Amino acid sequence: DSGVTQTPKHLITATGQRVTLRCSPRSGDLSVYWYQQSLDQGLQFLIQYYNGEERAKGNILERFSAQQFPDLHSELNLSSLELGDSALYFCASSGRDRAGETQYFGPGTRLLVL
Amino acid sequence: AQKVTQAQTEISVVEKEDVTLDCVYETRDTTYYLFWYKQPPSGELVFLIRRNSFDEQNEISGRYSWNFQKSTSSFNFTITASQVVDSAVYFCALSEARSSGGSYIPTFGRGTSLIVHP
Repeated sequence: DSGVTQTPKHLITATGQRVTLRCSPRSGDLSVYWYQQSLDQGLQFLIQYYNGEERAKGNILERFSAQQFPDLHSELNLSSLELGDSALYFCASSGRDRAGETQYFGPGTRLLVL
Repeated sequence: AQKVTQAQTEISVVEKEDVTLDCVYETRDTTYYLFWYKQPPSGELVFLIRRNSFDEQNEISGRYSWNFQKSTSSFNFTITASQVVDSAVYFCALSEARSSGGSYIPTFGRGTSLIVHP
């Protein structure tokens, strides 16, 4: 158990809909990262927050947004969903905001868009 | 730009065989970090090892060992006496240290699926 929790575990929705994925980092970790894992693209970094502020952006679509709240949990919002958004979405956390920090991953949220 | 290549898509071995998973990386930085993660059938990503670019010593942890060679930009992972529980997808990742410090964007390889048959 990494100490990172994600809800929900599974999500099935329809195209055009909006969903919110939630992540709670390990106790004491200030950084939260979001990743998308799909068969086509593999594991891709989406976005990072550190202590409530956005710190790095990867291949995140404009239809997607995220935020980190004062209690350090984070939410990833996916809107106008398309079939191609079906993927496993991972959240990870680390203690600091440095290149060598080890990231601990949550169990993921499996999203299926029909 | 950073890049990680795991040329082996799938490896199949019989229990007790040794197996090496290859990882080749590209980076322009002199300071960087390399990682290996395991993704068992349950789907969760499990951290295995982190290595910084200044430490070329090989590392051994039980049946796992890692061979870091800067000269060939490789960070290979060997499992000795493989077991069925080692069956998983293994990802190699690279993180560059930014000159401005702080945030980084890790790059993952496409993963190698290891199947260990009893």
